[in-house]
Amino acid sequence: AQSVTQLGSHVSVSEGALVLLRCNYSSSVPPYLFWYVQYPNQGLQLLLKYTSAATLVKGINGFEAEFKKSETSFHLTKPSAHMSDAAEYFCAVSETSGTYKYIFGTGTRLKVLA
Amino acid sequence: EAEVAQSPRYKITEKSQAVAFWCDPISGHATLYWYRQILGQGPELLVQFQDESVVDDSQLPKDRFSAERLKGVDSTLKIQPAELGDSAMYLCASSPRSYRRGQGFYEQFFGPGTRLTVL
Repeated sequence: AQSVTQLGSHVSVSEGALVLLRCNYSSSVPPYLFWYVQYPNQGLQLLLKYTSAATLVKGINGFEAEFKKSETSFHLTKPSAHMSDAAEYFCAVSETSGTYKYIFGTGTRLKVLA
Repeated sequence: EAEVAQSPRYKITEKSQAVAFWCDPISGHATLYWYRQILGQGPELLVQFQDESVVDDSQLPKDRFSAERLKGVDSTLKIQPAELGDSAMYLCASSPRSYRRGQGFYEQFFGPGTRLTVL
């Protein structure tokens, strides 16, 4: 069965510093991978997705992620954190056939310090 | 921009009462999902519809939860009776994918959710 592990339930960075949120997946074949952001009491917004095209994926709000098959990782980065980036971030994996069911990680809460 | 609509946004109920949540997907989206998100965790799929048919309800507690999408458009998720452990955010998502047309991958679009508190 597929699974997703997000290392670090809470991450704090200073405004202007690099953001790095970690995600590792477990899958027998390369899956589809996603990063979503969730603000308090709101739904999930897609940041970016990997669907077997380019391994470096650029998303909204200056975020990007790199698919590394050898490391089974899909870490999310942003060069310079902004106060508005404070939110909860979820990594998700989907099978590439069948019901395309999403499996979500437990989330990482990002805090941006002034 | 089209969005997934959910109501109510917040619901407080007492244990053993019945509650219902409504979801209106993006127009034309064939697939509809209900997720439960417990505080501090990621969303977990409860049920997935393809048009009016259920394609996955393996994680739906069927003794108390039910879901329907009668005309293949909007959907209702019901809990009866509610228990303290049901307190969570209930998220609805939709996707344009149709199995019948053999379409491939489409991303899911999420609504704002319904936060349920059971007292």
